[in-house]
Amino acid sequence: EVHLVESGGGLVKPGGSLRLSCAASGFTFSSYSMNWVRQAPGKGLEWVSCITSSSTYIYYAGSLKGRFTISRDNAKNSLYLQMNSLRAEDTAVYYCARGYSSSSDVPFDYWGQGTLVTVSS
Amino acid sequence: SYVLTQPPSVSVAPGKTARITCGGTNFLSKSVHWYQQKPGQAPVLVIYYDNDRPSGIPERFSGSNSGNTATLTISRVEAGDEADYYCHMWDSSSDHPGVFGTGTKVTVL
Repeated sequence: EVHLVESGGGLVKPGGSLRLSCAASGFTFSSYSMNWVRQAPGKGLEWVSCITSSSTYIYYAGSLKGRFTISRDNAKNSLYLQMNSLRAEDTAVYYCARGYSSSSDVPFDYWGQGTLVTVSS
Repeated sequence: SYVLTQPPSVSVAPGKTARITCGGTNFLSKSVHWYQQKPGQAPVLVIYYDNDRPSGIPERFSGSNSGNTATLTISRVEAGDEADYYCHMWDSSSDHPGVFGTGTKVTVL
């Protein structure tokens, strides 16, 4: 059974940094693209970033480029999101989501339960 | 960046049909996927590649994609279908390639 478990969320001050992790199990992690999607309180889904199976291609939401960095460790079955220069508007639940295949242009067939990031002084 | 517009809300009586639209441009060259999200839960994929259903999703859920509009149709609506629904696509030419629709709240009367 596919499991995705996010961790690393919490309360951080504006301008601070946070590193999110997503531990994957129940499938061959190195064969699938992975994504981060966030949802601000009471708002809709917002795609954040995608990394293909071998890290060959990486994509970001245009507004986040330069502040967020996605990475993965296929040996550890783990996905990461390094978030720097955090702002209040980055407050959201962050989900990791598996791509349907190794590519980027695919649906997200499994999601974690999310980790809450709160940016506040 | 690409914008996918959905109606904020759709209300439907039990047993009737709910249709949720997702509007954009040049859909014909892109595939649309749909997710259901219930309060406090992670999204669940209900339709992918316009009209395919993952295993475990009832046949009552179907999708279509034509022109500039994609549609999620829920037939014989049940109380358990009450949720938020989001469309999703990938636009390779954009600096924001992953795009979700604005979301639609389906209320079962």
